[in-house]
Amino acid sequence: GAGVSQSPSNKVTEKGKDVELRCDPISGHTALYWYRQSLGQGLEFLIYFQGNSAPDKSGLPSDRFSAERTGGSVSTLTIQRTQQEDSAVYLCASSRRTSRETQYFGPGTRLLVL
Amino acid sequence: GESVGLHLPTLSVQEGDNSIINCAYSNSASDYFIWYKQESGKGPQFIIDIRSNMDKRQGQRVTVLLNKTVKHLSLQIAATQPGDSAVYFCAENRIQGAQKLVFGQGTRLTINP
Repeated sequence: GAGVSQSPSNKVTEKGKDVELRCDPISGHTALYWYRQSLGQGLEFLIYFQGNSAPDKSGLPSDRFSAERTGGSVSTLTIQRTQQEDSAVYLCASSRRTSRETQYFGPGTRLLVL
Repeated sequence: GESVGLHLPTLSVQEGDNSIINCAYSNSASDYFIWYKQESGKGPQFIIDIRSNMDKRQGQRVTVLLNKTVKHLSLQIAATQPGDSAVYFCAENRIQGAQKLVFGQGTRLTINP
C-alpha cells in the first residue's frame, strides 16, 4: 500500500519568502507529526495532529511556523518569512492512532533558504 | 535536561560481524522505545520497538535490549550486511505528556566489505 508522501522533495527559496510543505499520510491514520532534521542531527518534533486538531504545537520554533490539517488527511506546514536557519529536512510521519504505535515516515522535504 | 543520547556517533564493523548500538535515556517515565534506521536521502524506517514491561525483544537479525535500572537501550544487529549501513536513531515515548517521540542524535553504522 502507499506510504507517507511529501512534496516537494526539494525546495530552494530566498530569505524572506514563504514556503508551503505538504504531507499525505497513510490512508486511515488519524495521527500526523511534523519533525525537522538539521544536517547530521536527530529529529526535532514540531507539531502533532490528531484528526484535524493540533493538541501539541510545542515544537514550533517561532510564530513564523504554522501547520494545518484538513479532512483528517493532508497536512501543510507553512514557514513565513523564511530565514537561513530554517534550512533543514522537514519530515512528516503518521501513525494509526497515537504516538505509542509505529510512526511511518515520509521521505522528507529538503528546504534550502538562500 | 531530559534527553535521549547515544554513546558513539560512528561505528564500523566488518560484513558478517555483529554490531551493537547503544542509547541512554534520562527520563524514567519513558515506557516505549523505538529504533529507526535512516539511509541517506530517505526518511527514518521503523526497525523494532520495545515497551518497558519487557527487557528483550527479537526481530529478524535484530534484538533490542532494555535495561531500566541504568536507563540503557541497545540494538544488536546480527550478521551485518552492506545494506545495514545507515544512521540508527533511538527514540522514546513517555507515559504522560505530549504525543511525540524524543529522538537521540543517531549513530552512523558503516559495514566494511
